[in-house]
Amino acid sequence: GAVVSQHPSWVICKSGTSVKIECRSLDFQATTMFWYRQFPKQSLMLMATSNEGSKATYEQGVEKDKFLINHASLTLSTLTVTSAHPEDSSFYICSAERNTEAFFGQGTRLTVV
Amino acid sequence: TQLLEQSPQFLSIQEGENLTVYCNSSSVFSSLQWYRQEPGEGPVLLVTVVTGGEVKKLKRLTFQFGDARKDSSLHITAAQTGDTGLYLCAEQSTNDYKLSFGAGTTVTVRA
Repeated sequence: GAVVSQHPSWVICKSGTSVKIECRSLDFQATTMFWYRQFPKQSLMLMATSNEGSKATYEQGVEKDKFLINHASLTLSTLTVTSAHPEDSSFYICSAERNTEAFFGQGTRLTVV
Repeated sequence: TQLLEQSPQFLSIQEGENLTVYCNSSSVFSSLQWYRQEPGEGPVLLVTVVTGGEVKKLKRLTFQFGDARKDSSLHITAAQTGDTGLYLCAEQSTNDYKLSFGAGTTVTVRA
């Protein structure tokens, strides 16, 4: 199956700093990628759709200035959590579409202290 | 976006027992996907069901899609400890490929 890689797998940062998470499709090109957030024992909540070469589209209630998304190439989308606070601590997961099937990255555990 | 309801929320069984997880909606699904997610990992697609009344088998896993395409079930026979994980149903939008997930069922299989 297709491979989607996220980096880093986990990160701890201080409150007020920014953190960048990368999502790469390793063996296919993806014009569309998705970013999800997941709290412990809960389901995935879609945050935004990342579109190559254009602005991301955000789901209702997700602050676009807080969660900056850049999809600069057909194999890379980045999510930057700006001015992170403890309530931003969560598991962030990306996915990329290939032939209508979604392939997920392994996720990034963000802890803000 | 329709609401997908999963039940039960948690399930703990002994190895060798059977289990069933349910996914329901008040609206008709265009298609339904089942995923399994292990702790600290992303979800992995198990199956996609499209046709009402469809039954698909994946080793010890049996997936059913209701005739009216409003419900689906995942049945695991003779569960093993390796079946432990979060099971998620999801519907994929046909126009923008967005996935809407159910709340998930956390399955724990005890040795």
